[in-house]
Amino acid sequence: SQTIHQWPATLVQPVGSPLSLECTVEGTSNPNLYWYRQAAGRGLQLLFYSVGIGQISSEVPQNLSASRPQDRQFILSSKKLLLSDSGFYLCAWGWRGRNTGELFFGEGSRLTVL
Amino acid sequence: DAKTTQPNSMESNEEEPVHLPCNHSTISGTDYIHWYRQLPSQGPEYVIHGLTSNVNNRMASLAIAEDRKSSTLILHRATLRDAAVYYCILRDVIGNQGGKLIFGQGTELSVKP
Repeated sequence: SQTIHQWPATLVQPVGSPLSLECTVEGTSNPNLYWYRQAAGRGLQLLFYSVGIGQISSEVPQNLSASRPQDRQFILSSKKLLLSDSGFYLCAWGWRGRNTGELFFGEGSRLTVL
Repeated sequence: DAKTTQPNSMESNEEEPVHLPCNHSTISGTDYIHWYRQLPSQGPEYVIHGLTSNVNNRMASLAIAEDRKSSTLILHRATLRDAAVYYCILRDVIGNQGGKLIFGQGTELSVKP
């Protein structure tokens, strides 16, 4: 079976510090990978998606970046965090080439920037 | 992506059916209708999806209007564990590189014992 792991689960970072959130998927190959952010309240904002190693598409311009160094690894980074980067970050994966299929979400990383 | 409109919140009583509406008047022929739900402090989970015909699974039923401009997610017997935010999402199967899901604000369902 497939699983998705995301860490760390929670973190508190000062403004201007760097960020690295990691997501890995097990039990499948060539997945589509996604990073979402949920600020206070509802609504998930798609930040990045990737259809393959080294292939990153950005949905929203910001001071965050994403990388996919391996097929089942997706990393969200920032060089200098802003207060507005606080939120609940979710990684997800989906079957490549199956746009009717479901997306599977990780348990999320809650980031507080002080 | 075509947009969806959902009520901000709904209430239900435990063990009663719940009908969660979604309007999508600008839906295209290649848009699938997806429903996800998100429990507090968790990632969203898939509920159901469909194209034209009504769909049933162990979690819920999806009723799609004949003109496809609206749909309804039906929970047959609400439980306290069904309290969540429910998202209705249109997902283009053809022109959607990467199979993205674009979430709206959803409907917050509360279930009273």
